[in-house]
Amino acid sequence: EPEVTQTPSHQVTQMGQEVILRCVPISNHLYFYWYRQILGQKVEFLVSFYNNEISEKSEIFDDQFSVERPDGSNFTLKIRSTKLEDSAMYFCASSVLAGGLSTDTQYFGPGTRLTVL
Amino acid sequence: AQKITQTQPGMFVQEKEAVTLDCTYDTSDQSYGLFWYKQPSSGEMIFLIYQGSYDEQNATEGRYSLNFQKARKSANLVISASQLGDSAMYFCAMREGFLDFGNEKLTFGTGTRLTIIP
Repeated sequence: EPEVTQTPSHQVTQMGQEVILRCVPISNHLYFYWYRQILGQKVEFLVSFYNNEISEKSEIFDDQFSVERPDGSNFTLKIRSTKLEDSAMYFCASSVLAGGLSTDTQYFGPGTRLTVL
Repeated sequence: AQKITQTQPGMFVQEKEAVTLDCTYDTSDQSYGLFWYKQPSSGEMIFLIYQGSYDEQNATEGRYSLNFQKARKSANLVISASQLGDSAMYFCAMREGFLDFGNEKLTFGTGTRLTIIP
């Protein structure tokens, strides 16, 4: 069964460094998303991406964050200058479309645990 | 106000018993979807079941069913014949306004940690 994959599974970085988290969405999906989950807290939406542009973003997704689809398969989240509070699990998700059908469900990848020291 | 409320931070259930995990939601939209995800200790988010606001019947997927009460704005997850592997965190989530472009985000509740006792 197709699945969303993410690399790396765990990333440790120093405060102020740039990180890039990578995702390969399910191949026939058109919408891509990033969410984050700070340890012990609920999952929070960051951004959604469709047709090579951001379609929705949250207040968390400030100028330090950017997303890109550099080729036909990868979807990346870049954090330019990491802060301690960026430490979290980052989930990539994808969906076929974004309508009201059950087939528009968002499927999540296994996550990347980012630790900022 | 919270969009998604899960009032049970933790539940303990005997193996083979049925369990209901509560979820209430708050929205003024007519078109919305409700989702349940399972998060085992390994951390991944596994989709379980979906209910659309226009769906007439309650959704079912194997041992999972969704008790959708639109007037009460509740979407409780029912797991029948619980198994040890059901021990995990369970999140209820909502997507509002799915007829509108730019409304793709899922809003999650705080989750319920379910522990199945042998």
